[in-house]
Amino acid sequence: EVQLLESGGGLVQPGGSLRLSCAASGFRFSNYAMTWVRQAPGKGLEWVSVIRDSDGGTYYADSVKGRFTISRDNSQNTLYLQMSSLRAEDTAVYYCAKVLVVVAAALDHWGQGTLVTVSS
Amino acid sequence: EIVMTQSPATLSVSPGERATLSCRASQSVTSNLAWYQQKPGQAPRLLIYGASIRATGIPVRFSGTGSGTEFTLTISSLQSEDFAVYHCQQYHNWPPITFGQGTRLEIK
Repeated sequence: EVQLLESGGGLVQPGGSLRLSCAASGFRFSNYAMTWVRQAPGKGLEWVSVIRDSDGGTYYADSVKGRFTISRDNSQNTLYLQMSSLRAEDTAVYYCAKVLVVVAAALDHWGQGTLVTVSS
Repeated sequence: EIVMTQSPATLSVSPGERATLSCRASQSVTSNLAWYQQKPGQAPRLLIYGASIRATGIPVRFSGTGSGTEFTLTISSLQSEDFAVYHCQQYHNWPPITFGQGTRLEIK
């Protein structure tokens, strides 16, 4: 059974930093692209970042480019999101999700989410 | 960036009836479209990908149609557990991936 478990969320002041983790199990983690998606309170889903399986290439939404860094440790089956220069508008539940396949980037498994609150 | 627009924002339907949700893309995404169901306090669940392919374990009452810029999710006979928010997502020439703003399906 595929499982994704996020951790690392919490309350942080504007301008601060936070690192999210996503522990994966139940599938060959190194063979799949992984992504972060966020959802602000009462709002829709917003894609944040993706890291590919093949070459570890990374891509970011314009809203977080230059402030967030996605990475993965295939030996530990763990996905990360390093967030810096945080703003109030980054407040959201952050989900990690597994990409179905590179040619069909639907997200077939999701974690339960971790809440990040940016406030003074 | 491809903008996804869902309609209506809220849909009220009685149990046992059919629900039809729409999603429009600002440019063609061919069949690179997925649908998700999200219940309060839960993560989204993949229902449909490739515009019409049901994901593993998804009941046959869920069906997706469309290509290009116009897409539809149909739930043929609503069950109590189907009342939720539904999101569409495009992955044409991704990244980026973009989502619609969601349709809330509520009990009439």
